[in-house]
Amino acid sequence: ETGVTQSPTHLIKTRGQQVTLRCSSQSGHNTVSWYQQALGQGPQFIFQYYREEENGRGNFPPRFSGLQFPNYSSELNVNALELDDSALYLCASSTAGTSGGYNEQFFGPGTRLTVL
Amino acid sequence: GQNIDQPTEMTATEGAIVQINCTYQTSGFNGLFWYQQHAGEAPTFLSYNVLDGLEEKGRFSSFLSRSKGYSYLLLKELQMKDSASYLCAVRDSNYQLIWGAGTKLIIKP
Repeated sequence: ETGVTQSPTHLIKTRGQQVTLRCSSQSGHNTVSWYQQALGQGPQFIFQYYREEENGRGNFPPRFSGLQFPNYSSELNVNALELDDSALYLCASSTAGTSGGYNEQFFGPGTRLTVL
Repeated sequence: GQNIDQPTEMTATEGAIVQINCTYQTSGFNGLFWYQQHAGEAPTFLSYNVLDGLEEKGRFSSFLSRSKGYSYLLLKELQMKDSASYLCAVRDSNYQLIWGAGTKLIIKP
């Protein structure tokens, strides 16, 4: 158990719908990163939030958006869902945004999104 | 572009030793991580290398050569529970993690 929680565990949506995924970071962590992991692939970086500001973004379209709240929990919103958005969505919390050092990321259990 | 290469799948015998290789080409380098991921679960941290050389942690060791863009994860005294995917990830110049596709390790009795 990493102390990072995500909800919901599983979700089924249809093409064109919108979805919100939630993540509660580990106590003391101020940085949350979101990843998309397709079956049999490594995680793909979506974006990162540090102290409520987005401070890095991967190669994902604007219909992927996010928020971080004062308690450092976070949301991932995806609009206009496409079939290819079906994947495991992982959030990971850590202790720093852009500094170096160890800064291991602790992952939540993920949300399995299926788009029909 | 940024690229991380790992073998897709490896098979080893319980009690043996296995080495999983990772080569990378990234925009900058600020450390390399190895994670273990069991099917349907989240990745869990195994090791971190930022300087050249070997880092040992119980049955697991990780090696890094920055000049060669190369790392390996060495697993000793393999156990059935080690059957999982092993993910190599590099932190780039923007301090973002770039991930390989993972190596599925199958342990046979």
